[in-house]
Amino acid sequence: KQEVTQIPAALSVPEGENLVLNCSFTDSAIYNLQWFRQDPGKGLTSLLLIQSSQREQTSGRLNASLDKSSGRSTLYIAASQPGDSATYLCAVKNQGGKLIFGQGTELSVKP
Amino acid sequence: DVKVTQSSRYLVKRTGEKVFLECVQDMDHENMFWYRQDPGLGLRLIYFSYDVKMKEKGDIPEGYSVSREKKERFSLILESASTNQTSMYLCASTALAGNTIYFGEGSWLTVV
Repeated sequence: KQEVTQIPAALSVPEGENLVLNCSFTDSAIYNLQWFRQDPGKGLTSLLLIQSSQREQTSGRLNASLDKSSGRSTLYIAASQPGDSATYLCAVKNQGGKLIFGQGTELSVKP
Repeated sequence: DVKVTQSSRYLVKRTGEKVFLECVQDMDHENMFWYRQDPGLGLRLIYFSYDVKMKEKGDIPEGYSVSREKKERFSLILESASTNQTSMYLCASTALAGNTIYFGEGSWLTVV
């Protein structure tokens, strides 16, 4: 059974710092992996999607990597800003099409 | 832009009441989903649908049912609400062969 873990559960950094959020999964037979952002009390917004054949995706200050063999993905945020404060979730899509979510990392960027 | 609209953002219902949560998407997506999100448990899939009048159970369907009479609308029904169904409910949709999943803003349900 696929399990997705995100560590740490919460992270606080000063503005301007580069940071890495981690996501690990137990079954490497995935179709893709997505990173989402969730603001308090709101729904999820898709940030980046990495297909199983890809190693990384970039969007602006965000870079997501995927290492299927080790069951890991990282989300790199460059030059963090207070507006980046949110909960970040990763989700893997298995071959059957089902999305399995991690529990998220709550990020706080202090001015 | 894709829009997934959940018409009720905040609801308070009494135990035993029948509750309807409505979700509408405007991008002609085939797939629609209902999740609930709870602290410490993350997002859990309740039901999903690949087509009109079609539904499949997710991981936690007990106590819930769904209806999809039109392609754009997917309703979650709590036949007899209980306090353990107090949660944030999220609707989502994707195209049939799509990768990106689009979520609504969520519906906060409190059952007292």
